[in-house]
Amino acid sequence: GAVVSQHPSRVICKSGTSVKIECRSLDFQATTMFWYRQFPKQSLMLMATSNEGSKATYEQGVEKDKFLINHASLTLSTLTVTSAHPEDSSFYICSAREIMTGGDETQYFGPGTRLLVL
Amino acid sequence: AQKITQTQPGMFVQEKEAVTLDCTYDTSDPSYGLFWYKQPSSGEMIFLIYQGSYDQQNATEGRYSLNFQKARKSANLVISASQLGDSAMYFCAMRVNSPGGTSYGKLTFGQGTILTVHP
Repeated sequence: GAVVSQHPSRVICKSGTSVKIECRSLDFQATTMFWYRQFPKQSLMLMATSNEGSKATYEQGVEKDKFLINHASLTLSTLTVTSAHPEDSSFYICSAREIMTGGDETQYFGPGTRLLVL
Repeated sequence: AQKITQTQPGMFVQEKEAVTLDCTYDTSDPSYGLFWYKQPSSGEMIFLIYQGSYDQQNATEGRYSLNFQKARKSANLVISASQLGDSAMYFCAMRVNSPGGTSYGKLTFGQGTILTVHP
């Protein structure tokens, strides 16, 4: 199956700094990628939908100025957590949507990025 | 809006026994898909099984089967012959398949069920 990578897998940063997380589709083109956030032992919450070549669509309650999303190419989306604070510590997961011939689609998940803000 | 409900925060099963993880859903869209994912402690999301709303037969993938009861809006996952490696968090998810609308293509996840397999 298709592979989606995320980098870094784990990051620790100081409060007030910005952190960039990359999501790459390795063997297919993804016009749409999704960013999720997961707190320990909780569900995945969709943060935003990243569309190649256009602005991301954010879910209600997600600050677009805090979580900057850029989808500059068909294989790369980035999430930047700006001015990170301890409450932003979480597990961030991306997924990439592959649309096959015939219209069927599948979402492939990245391995996730654990962010710890001190 | 779409909603997925998993009412079992935790489940325990003896190795080699079968276990059913419950999932109910709610949507007004006639075309949708139901997914089950496994998330071990490493955090990766592992796709297990998919059921389309128009599929006539219940989906099966190896030891996983999906008990799809459309009228009851339930999509329970059955794991047969449980193994120690099945211990993980399990998520039920739904995707609206009809183009158009703000929810198209998005996955909505349930709260998850932590499965523990005892030797």
